[in-house]
Amino acid sequence: KNEVEQSPQNLTAQEGEFITINCSYSVGISALHWLQQHPGGGIVSLFMLSSGKKKHGRLIATINIQEKHSSLHITASHPRDSAVYICAVPGGGADGLTFGKGTHLIIQP
Amino acid sequence: SQTIHQWPATLVQPVGSPLSLECTVEGTSNPNLYWYRQAAGRGLQLLFYSVGIGQISSEVPQNLSASRPQDRQFILSSKKLLLSDSGFYLCAWSRVSPYEQYFGPGTRLTVT
Repeated sequence: KNEVEQSPQNLTAQEGEFITINCSYSVGISALHWLQQHPGGGIVSLFMLSSGKKKHGRLIATINIQEKHSSLHITASHPRDSAVYICAVPGGGADGLTFGKGTHLIIQP
Repeated sequence: SQTIHQWPATLVQPVGSPLSLECTVEGTSNPNLYWYRQAAGRGLQLLFYSVGIGQISSEVPQNLSASRPQDRQFILSSKKLLLSDSGFYLCAWSRVSPYEQYFGPGTRLTVT
């Protein structure tokens, strides 16, 4: 079974700061997911990536398949980025996801 | 475009009562369907998955069951709820490949 570790668990930063969240996993995968969960609980898929780097607006995700490691970066952070960010990998039955415990991010104005 | 619905959005039920949560998907056919749970203070966990009508697999032993009576309908049930069944329940769907998953809005269940 794949073990997914995220760091840090909690992160508080000032508006405008560059944010990095890390994710490592134990077993090789076909793709890795970054998800965002808002206080109400709803989950939005941010990225699915299998190699290299992807960028959506101020969000950048990178993955190193050999090192089994991925990072999520937020540039010019804003209070609306405050949420829980979750890393997940396929590994359950019929490729259900195995999740990290999440990083609780707070961006202060 | 594809849409996934879940209801109810919130539910408060006494211990020992039955449960039925429903999930429906629109705009796609023959999806893989999943039930996940997020217990208080814990990460998301896969409970059940289904690759077709009537085909259900459980990932963890528990007090819950799932059914898929139609291609785009997935139901989570319990005959008698336990306090430990409280949590946030998410339904998701994916195509067989490339595995991107799409999540419903979730049901917050409180067992009292």
